[in-house]
Amino acid sequence: ENVLTQSPAIMSASPGEKVTMTCRASSSVSSSYLHWYQQKSGASPKLWIYSTSNLASGVPARFSGSGSGTSYSLTISSVEAEDAATYYCQQYSGYPRTFGGGTKLEIK
Amino acid sequence: QVQLQQPGAELVRPGASVKLSCKASGYTFTSYWMNWVKQRPEQGLEWIGRIDPYDSETHYNQKFKDKAILTVDKSSSTAYMQLSSLTSEDSAVYYCAREAVRGRAMDYWGQGTSVTVSS
Repeated sequence: ENVLTQSPAIMSASPGEKVTMTCRASSSVSSSYLHWYQQKSGASPKLWIYSTSNLASGVPARFSGSGSGTSYSLTISSVEAEDAATYYCQQYSGYPRTFGGGTKLEIK
Repeated sequence: QVQLQQPGAELVRPGASVKLSCKASGYTFTSYWMNWVKQRPEQGLEWIGRIDPYDSETHYNQKFKDKAILTVDKSSSTAYMQLSSLTSEDSAVYYCAREAVRGRAMDYWGQGTSVTVSS
């Protein structure tokens, strides 16, 4: 099983700050198969970034994704209040699909 | 537009079984795999398994192999997950999520069914 470890588990940022969260895999993942989801409190997860760096429909351009192999990241160039959520990475390198433990982003 | 409709909540007794539904609309049901994901309160996401509605081929997370059974009804474009021998550990929100062909991302999610196991 390919274990995904996200860090930090919780982060706090002020509006306008740049933030980066990471996702590390125990085994290499093809960049085509590493995805990020946003989940707000009480809501379903939403696909946010797919295949490492492609923004899903409606995702603001202040979000970006990068990485390769076992190390991936999600960056917000200028955080806004609406970005408060938990972000999960997920991989498909066969079975089982696995999710990271999530990074909770709080806005000050 | 793509929609995955799930009932909001189920209350079940310990030891019983429950069959959760996920009705798909807005796309060709048999063209996309369907995943099921578990989320316990204040916890992360856990992949249970996926089914190909075209031929009912399934893949399960080993952890759920004796817990969940995935099926589909093509005539009603509905995916099902049956959970058996329920305990308090099975109290959670269960989501169905369509899997995109490209990249295998889960591109559409249902609203989730909250399952409470209690006597």
